[in-house]
Amino acid sequence: GDSVTQMEGPVTLSEEAFLTINCTYTATGYPSLFWYVQYPGEGLQLLLKATKADDKGSNKGFEATYRKETTSFHLEKGSVQVSDSAVYFCVRSLNRDDKIIFGKGTRLHILP
Amino acid sequence: EPEVTQTPSHQVTQMGQEVILRCVPISNHLYFYWYRQILGQKVEFLVSFYNNEISEKSEIFDDQFSVERPDGSNFTLKIRSTKLEDSAMYFCASRYTGGLAFFGQGTRLTVV
Repeated sequence: GDSVTQMEGPVTLSEEAFLTINCTYTATGYPSLFWYVQYPGEGLQLLLKATKADDKGSNKGFEATYRKETTSFHLEKGSVQVSDSAVYFCVRSLNRDDKIIFGKGTRLHILP
Repeated sequence: EPEVTQTPSHQVTQMGQEVILRCVPISNHLYFYWYRQILGQKVEFLVSFYNNEISEKSEIFDDQFSVERPDGSNFTLKIRSTKLEDSAMYFCASRYTGGLAFFGQGTRLTVV
């Protein structure tokens, strides 16, 4: 069935390190893809999105490119900050009244 | 910027009691969702709602759960007889068409 797979956490990095969080998806049709972020004790916030193949979503220094050929949507940031510590969810949805599928989430710890 | 509003932010209830979680989706949205997240775990789909009826529900959404959109603005989740394992963060989401869903900040339900 349709699913989203993202790398297991926790991921621990030093400040200013390069970040990649892998995400792959399966879906019938052409999904829209998202990264949501959940800061400690808070709700879900949209971080970035891409709605078609080769789109690049970007926000707050994070980027992810919708790769149809590899069914991937990996999250990257060139230089992480302590304030980026959070749980990151890769999410896919289709343009109909379908449920929105979440990956299991990747907890990111950034050390000063 | 439009937002999805959930109330209350935190609810404590005794086991066996009924609880109603309230959501005000974005006004012109057509699709509505409830998700839950048990502390530190993945975000799980509960139910989707469109055109005044449930369009899909998960195995979690058993006879103890119900949803309603009574007045065209609120979207409620009722748990008839709460269990300890219902303790979680509950998120409401809505969308117009297309893939992008907007999530509320969540209601933390604690069953004691």
